[in-house]
Amino acid sequence: QQQVKQSPQSLIVQKGGISIINCAYENTAFDYFPWYQQFPGKGPALLIAIRPDVSEKKEGRFTISFNKSAKQFSLHIMDSQPGDSATYFCAAVSTSGTYKYIFGTGTRLKVLA
Amino acid sequence: NAGVTQTPKFRVLKTGQSMTLLCAQDMNHEYMYWYRQDPGMGLRLIHYSVGEGTTAKGEVPDGYNVSRLKKQNFLLGLESAAPSQTSVYFCATSQGALYGYTFGSGTRLTVV
Repeated sequence: QQQVKQSPQSLIVQKGGISIINCAYENTAFDYFPWYQQFPGKGPALLIAIRPDVSEKKEGRFTISFNKSAKQFSLHIMDSQPGDSATYFCAAVSTSGTYKYIFGTGTRLKVLA
Repeated sequence: NAGVTQTPKFRVLKTGQSMTLLCAQDMNHEYMYWYRQDPGMGLRLIHYSVGEGTTAKGEVPDGYNVSRLKKQNFLLGLESAAPSQTSVYFCATSQGALYGYTFGSGTRLTVV
């Protein structure tokens, strides 16, 4: 019940295309869902996050869609660029606990020029 | 302002050797975490701390010990290294769940 399932494991998208990464969770106590971006040799960095009281959050080319009833959320990268090539992790946490993030297994995105 | 600093950045150990990884933060965050990252398995929590002098086990604590004697430092120890502990280790800090984690740049450890 603590798992966060992430798919796909890898993704190849043409420049200008839309990249979509999906995550699903089971624990209904989770109430904060961040996405992290990691470049090779670097630590993950917070990209965008959402709380379940909204169904969508947009920051520039990055959008999180959230479906509370299905316990699913997804990251959409519009107009994908080669500089977006990285590994993306979804995560979930209960803000009433000890703030332990549960991470998905990651998606390696490659955007072709 | 360095943020989260991990030392060392790389290390090769022989099976059975011990070592300590250091995480130092200058952001005055209460919460600190040690994760390991392995291909296809994402980030898995080893141990964490909710404040100076406190530690707790995460998802994969076996073979590791931690200490948080000072608020700014979180140490991860390997008592007797095994090849299964070959991984990239990340330290993270937070001032609360809604503020996200700040990660260090990682330590790549190889146990031969």
